[in-house]
Amino acid sequence: DQQVKQNSPSLSVQEGRISILNCDYTNSMFDYFLWYKKYPAEGPTFLISISSIKDKNEDGRFTVFLNKSAKHLSLHIVPSQPGDSAVYFCAACSNTGKLIFGQGTTLQVKP
Amino acid sequence: EAGVTQFPSHSVIEKGQTVTLRCDPISGHDNLYWYRRVMGKEIKFLLHFVKESKQDESGMPNNRFLAERTGGTYSTLKVQPAELEDSGVYFCASSQEGGTIYNEQFFGPGTRLTVL
Repeated sequence: DQQVKQNSPSLSVQEGRISILNCDYTNSMFDYFLWYKKYPAEGPTFLISISSIKDKNEDGRFTVFLNKSAKHLSLHIVPSQPGDSAVYFCAACSNTGKLIFGQGTTLQVKP
Repeated sequence: EAGVTQFPSHSVIEKGQTVTLRCDPISGHDNLYWYRRVMGKEIKFLLHFVKESKQDESGMPNNRFLAERTGGTYSTLKVQPAELEDSGVYFCASSQEGGTIYNEQFFGPGTRLTVL
C-alpha cells in the first residue's frame, strides 16, 4: 500500500512558465515532507522541505505548499528553466527518519 | 568533502549468483540508509543503520538480502542468491546523528543491478 503518491508520471512546460508538481499522502501522522530532484545516473538531491506546522516554504524559485486537510502537497517552480528538467520525488519522513517516496514525476522544461 | 560513494556503479549477474554492493557514507555520518528503486517505481526504504547497529530493517524484502556495517563506517549489501526481481537501482544515503530526526539525507549515485 503506497503511502505517498505522485499521480503524474510526467510534466512538460515551457521555459519561463510555472511548473507545478503534485503529491498526495495517506498517513496523517506524517509531519515532515521533502522534495528531491534526480538527474539521470545520479542519486537524488535534496531540494526543499516543509514541516506540518507550516503551509508554505519558499526558497528562491522553489515553493512547497502543504494542505494538511487534503493530505496534499505541491512544488511550484517559477520561472522554470531547462536545467530544472529532472525527476522530482516527493517524500515523507517517518518518525524513525526513513524516507517514504512517491513514484516520481519527470519534468521537462522546453527552451 | 567527498560525498556518498557506491561501488560498483553497475553490476550484471546471472540469476542464482551472489552480488555485494558497497556504500561509503560521508565521513562522520552515523546514519546510513539503503533504498531501492525498481523499474521506475518509487524509491523504497530497505534498512537503516545507526553506526554499526541496525536501527530499522523493516524494508528488507527477504532473507536473501544481508546488510552489514562493521565498525560503523562503510556498509555492504549482499544479495544471495539473486533473483530476477532484485534488478533495480540500489541507493545508499547518509546523514548526521543528533538534533532532529530530519537531518538531511545525502544520496550516493546508486548501483544499477541487473539480474539475467
